[in-house]
This record gives sequence, C-alpha cells and structure tokens, in this order.
Amino acid sequence: DQQVKQNSPSLSVQEGRISILNCDYTNSMFDYFLWYKKYPAEGPTFLISISSIKDKNEDGRFTVFLNKSAKHLSLHIVPSQPGDSAVYFCAPLIMNYGGSQGNLIFGKGTKLSVKP
Amino acid sequence: NAGVTQTPKFRILKIGQSMTLQCTQDMNHNYMYWYRQDPGMGLKLIYYSVGAGITDKGEVPNGYNVSRSTTEDFPLRLELAAPSQTSVYFCASSRLGEGSNQPQHFGDGTRLSIL
Repeated sequence: DQQVKQNSPSLSVQEGRISILNCDYTNSMFDYFLWYKKYPAEGPTFLISISSIKDKNEDGRFTVFLNKSAKHLSLHIVPSQPGDSAVYFCAPLIMNYGGSQGNLIFGKGTKLSVKP
Repeated sequence: NAGVTQTPKFRILKIGQSMTLQCTQDMNHNYMYWYRQDPGMGLKLIYYSVGAGITDKGEVPNGYNVSRSTTEDFPLRLELAAPSQTSVYFCASSRLGEGSNQPQHFGDGTRLSIL
C-alpha cells in the first residue's frame, strides 16, 4: 500500500510557464515533506521542504504548498527553465529517535520536461 | 567537495556471488542510509545507521547486511546475489538533526545487475 503517490509519471511544460507537480499521501504522521530532483546517472539532490505545521514555503522559483486536510502537496516552479528537466520525487519524512533523525518515504517520481 | 562517494559505479554479478558496495562520506555526518531504486519506482530504504556501531533495518532489508565501524564508511553487503537484487543502489548521509529536516545528501549510485 503506497503511502506516497505521484500520479503523474510525466509532465511537459513550455519554457517560461509554470510547472506544477503533485503529491498525495496517506499517513498523517509525516513531520516534513521534502522534494528531491534527480538527473539521469546522478543521485537525488534536495530541492525544497515544508514542515507539516506550515502551508507554504518559497525558495526562489520554487514554492511548495501543503494542504493537510486533503493530504496533498504540490511543487510549483515559476518560470520553468530547460535545466529544470529532471525527475522530481516527493519524499515525506517521519522523525525517529526522539526527533533527531528521520526516514524518507519516496514517491515514484514525476519526470518533468521543459521545452525551449 | 567529494560529498558521498560510492564504488563501484557499475557491476555485473552472477547468481549466488557476493559483493560489497562501498560508501564513504567526508561531511562528518552522523546518519547514513542505503536505498535501492527499481525501474519506474521510488527509492526504498534498505538499512540506515545513526552513528558508528548502530544500524537498523529499513523497508527492504532482506538479502543485505551492513556495518558501520567508522563515521565515514557504510558498506552494504550482498551475500548470495539474486536476480531480484538487480537495481540501482544509492547511499546517502545527513547531519544530526534537532527535530529539523536535515536533508540527505546522495551519492551517484551503483548500478548492479545479477545474471
């Protein structure tokens, strides 16, 4: 049973437009929600995160929105650039060991293609 | 900055062979992790370690063993390779958190095929 669902395997967007990547989850105990970006033949790299007690976090062109009642979060990229073409993973975090360490639960990812 | 280094990058094993995937980090991170990623899937946690001498199972530990004798190194051992272990393996590390979301830093992966 998947705790994290990224229902769109792929997304194609024109350069300069907005990219919206969605993620749904089932476990209400997640403490944080992270987004990772992955290029082919490389490891994932951390992009942006949001605490479960917030509903929005912004970092430059990247904004993450959290709707706890709907158990849904989304990553907005504005404006999209060709270099943003990658696989994006939604990865909620459950804290262990008294809150000092956490384990990530990864979704299957969404492949974003930004066309010039 | 080397970050997290994994070796080898590629390996082909025969069924029943054993091997060790190496992972080392130079960021003095307390926490280290091993994941596997199968085609079209997200990463699944195999084992993790919160410090030297302390390891714990993740979601998919069967068929693997780990050890953590130093802060820097976290090798993953496959004792009897099986075709189901064909995957891309990622090692990651993170700093000691204080209730915060210290992001994990990943290596570039080891692509392992069992034939």
